Amino acid sequence: DAEITQSPRHKITETGRQVTLACHQTWNHNNMFWYRQDLGHGLRLIHYSYGVQDTNKGEVSDGYSVSRSNTEDLPLTLESAASSQTSVYFCASSPGQGIYTFGSGTRLTVV
Amino acid sequence: AQSVSQHNHHVILSEAASLELGCNYSYGGTVNLFWYVQYPGQHLQLLLKYFSGDPLVKGIKGFEAEFIKSKFSFNLRKPSVQWSDTAEYFCAVENTGFQKLVFGTGTRLLVSP
Repeated sequence: DAEITQSPRHKITETGRQVTLACHQTWNHNNMFWYRQDLGHGLRLIHYSYGVQDTNKGEVSDGYSVSRSNTEDLPLTLESAASSQTSVYFCASSPGQGIYTFGSGTRLTVV
Repeated sequence: AQSVSQHNHHVILSEAASLELGCNYSYGGTVNLFWYVQYPGQHLQLLLKYFSGDPLVKGIKGFEAEFIKSKFSFNLRKPSVQWSDTAEYFCAVENTGFQKLVFGTGTRLLVSP
């Protein structure tokens, strides 16, 4: 069965370190997205991609970057982790029309 | 830019009570509308969607939503909630053709047995 997986599920890192969160989907969807979920803010879009070599900034992209070298993967990198980036991160893929399949999330704590 | 408002942040109901969660969006162009649900400890999953046609749409588990274009609203309803409906509910909007969703801040529903 097709799926979307995120790793790690939990991560604790120190301020200033570079961190990469993985997202891998086998749905063969062109569209992939990264959101962060925070209490009182819901889900906010960080970065998204409509296909290989395509990346776009979302509403809260500062301090984050993504790359899309193949259809299956959209890793999210925190260049220099900050306490404000403590959050739950969700990856999603979509064939279009707003039908998203979400991963199980990564809980990141920056200390 | 599109924005989505969910006015109820926390809702507490007893089993068998009726539910209505409000959702309003800001942009008046052609939109696709969604409700996603996140059960405790799980990822988000699609509850129902509206693209066009009948403004009253039915989803899984007895949920329905009504699109009222003049009010920019897409409220979620269920006639009789169950304890298993305890979850966080997110309204989301896609401006047609843009292929990315804007989510509301979510409503946490607690159903007491």
